[in-house]
Amino acid sequence: NAGVTQTPKFQVLKTGQSMTLQCAQDMNHEYMSWYRQDPGMGLRLIHYSVGAGITDQGEVPNGYNVSRSTTEDFPLRLLSAAPSQTSVYFCASSYNRADTQYFGPGTRLTVL
Amino acid sequence: GESVGLHLPTLSVQEGDNSIINCAYSNSASDYFIWYKQESGKGPQFIIDIRSNMDKRQGQRVTVLLNKTVKHLSLQIAATQPGDSAVYFCAENNNAGNMLTFGGGTRLMVKP
Repeated sequence: NAGVTQTPKFQVLKTGQSMTLQCAQDMNHEYMSWYRQDPGMGLRLIHYSVGAGITDQGEVPNGYNVSRSTTEDFPLRLLSAAPSQTSVYFCASSYNRADTQYFGPGTRLTVL
Repeated sequence: GESVGLHLPTLSVQEGDNSIINCAYSNSASDYFIWYKQESGKGPQFIIDIRSNMDKRQGQRVTVLLNKTVKHLSLQIAATQPGDSAVYFCAENNNAGNMLTFGGGTRLMVKP
C-alpha cells in the first residue's frame, strides 16, 4: 500500500490564481480530511468527508472547496489564492471518523 | 471554546533519559485521544492512542497516561533516542467523532 499520497510537494502561486491539491489513499478508508499547518500552530481542519459524495466544513473552510467523487480521492481546491493561504497542507484518512487518522507527506504552498 | 493545548513548547532531554510530554484538554466529553510525532518535513505519524475508559496504555518505549479528573494527558518516552527528536502533538476526537482537534505541539530535542 502506498498509504496517503499528496501532490504536488511544493507549489508557488500568485495572488488570485487557482489550483487543486491532490490527495489519494489506497486503504479503502471512508473518512478523509484536509488540514493546514501554520508555523507554531497545530493542525487545523479545513474540510472532511465521511464517504464518497459527502463533504462537510471543518474549522477553517473559507477559501477552499472539496469534492469526493470516489473513495480514493479527495482534492482540495483554492479558487482564488491569497497570501493568508500560505501554509503546509496535509491530507489524512481513516477507516471511519472515529478511527486513527493517517497523514500524507504534505504540500507546502506559498502564495505571493 | 473547547481546546486541546500543551504545557511546554520545547523539551530538551539527554539521550537515554526518559521524556514526559504533557497535554491539557478542556472538552470533558472527549473520549478518544491520540499522540502524533512529526519529524521535520513530514506528516504527523501516529504513535499511540487511548480511549477514555482507560487510564494507561503502553506501546514500545511509549506510555500514554490519561487523567480524566484533571483533564490531562501525557506521553512518556523511555530511554529517549536521537531519533525521537520531533514535534509531538496530542489530539482529541470530539463527541461526534467528525473532527480531530490538535494541540499546538511540543518540540522534543534529544542531546547526545
